[in-house]
Amino acid sequence: EAQVTQNPRYLITVTGKKLTVTCSQNMNHEYMSWYRQDPGLGLRQIYYSMNVEVTDKGDVPEGYKVSRKEKRNFPLILESPSPNQTSLYFCASSRQGHQETQYFGPGTRLLVL
Amino acid sequence: SQQGEEDPQALSIQEGENATMNCSYKTSINNLQWYRQNSGRGLVHLILIRSNEREKHSGRLRVTLDTSKKSSSLLITASRAADTASYFCATEKGNNRLAFGKGNQVVVIP
Repeated sequence: EAQVTQNPRYLITVTGKKLTVTCSQNMNHEYMSWYRQDPGLGLRQIYYSMNVEVTDKGDVPEGYKVSRKEKRNFPLILESPSPNQTSLYFCASSRQGHQETQYFGPGTRLLVL
Repeated sequence: SQQGEEDPQALSIQEGENATMNCSYKTSINNLQWYRQNSGRGLVHLILIRSNEREKHSGRLRVTLDTSKKSSSLLITASRAADTASYFCATEKGNNRLAFGKGNQVVVIP
């Protein structure tokens, strides 16, 4: 089944404790991206990747890192999480770029205490 | 900055009625996309309409695009309780980025 998976789905952590949210797609998509969703603010793009080893900042990249060592994986790294990073995070992928249908993962709900 | 903005923000209708929501954007686009999100879950793609298209249908969904007014509308006909969700439009933001509106919450009352 074609899908985007994220792990973990729920995470409670404390300020400053490094964490990684994994994202994987099995559709051989070139474009992958991370969004955060907050009440009243909608979805905001954090980082995106056009292909392996190519990553770029979105609208709200501060406090986040990403890597794209393989085509299928696009982990989101929070080196030192803070409470304002408490949010619902979505990974998405598409065949070639932002102008095509985006396939979203199920989301990761993060709480930073 | 270019960003899709949906209007109205929240809509409550009776089952069987039609629901219409609008999206406006600021700069030229190649296409516009509509997505649905059920509570707390991932977004699901509904329709992509290209700038040279004026109308597109998919089942009970009808999307229109007016590039002169920089706006799009999503019509759900004969709504069902299962259509209760948030609906987002998404437009290009330049530099290979996609911008989503804040979403339009639709509640269909059985």
